Amino acid sequence: RKEVEQDPGPFNVPEGATVAFNCTYSNSASQSFFWYRQDCRKEPKLLMSVYSSGNEDGRFTAQLNRASQYISLLIRDSKLSDSATYLCVVNDDQFYFGTGTSLTVIP
Amino acid sequence: NAGVTQTPKFQVLKTGQSMTLQCAQDMNHNSMYWYRQDPGMGLRLIYYSASEGTTDKGEVPNGYNVSRLNKREFSLRLESAAPSQTSVYFCASSDRGSGSWDEQFFGPGTRLTVL
Repeated sequence: RKEVEQDPGPFNVPEGATVAFNCTYSNSASQSFFWYRQDCRKEPKLLMSVYSSGNEDGRFTAQLNRASQYISLLIRDSKLSDSATYLCVVNDDQFYFGTGTSLTVIP
Repeated sequence: NAGVTQTPKFQVLKTGQSMTLQCAQDMNHNSMYWYRQDPGMGLRLIYYSASEGTTDKGEVPNGYNVSRLNKREFSLRLESAAPSQTSVYFCASSDRGSGSWDEQFFGPGTRLTVL
């Protein structure tokens, strides 16, 4: 069983739409959680950390459910520039990356 | 600050050849990592170094060796390249490692093809 599982998509949404990505993790002892963004043929970059209380950064909201071992990312009012692959990352004894969810925002 | 730098950016090898991928960071981070990224597999950890002088195996270490030359530099060596090692290799660094909330900073990647 993979440490971190994500729906690979692709998600194709119109500009202005709201889109949500989900991720599950297998190790209940995992300690920290993140969403990274990766543009085509580029390196991953941190989008936001995911705290138990949930956190928001502008149009982006991340939530963590430790009981269900589930992480989510919500993007509101999608922009063309949001088109990328979103990676769910879990840190316990080492960093584990999901395979990523591909998002394309269509004009 | 340059952040995390990697050389080379591209490399083509023949089966059995050896090479070393270089990585350096200028953020004074303690932890450094080597990942490979393959289609449909996501990033997988090859080796990491929690601090200068230490190295540990990750998820997929077979066929690779590493050296933490100093706090700044962490190299990855392929002793006898195989086609299965065709991949994109990313180096990363963070101030602290396992269990921390620290951000990982990635280099631009090395695209390696083994024929």
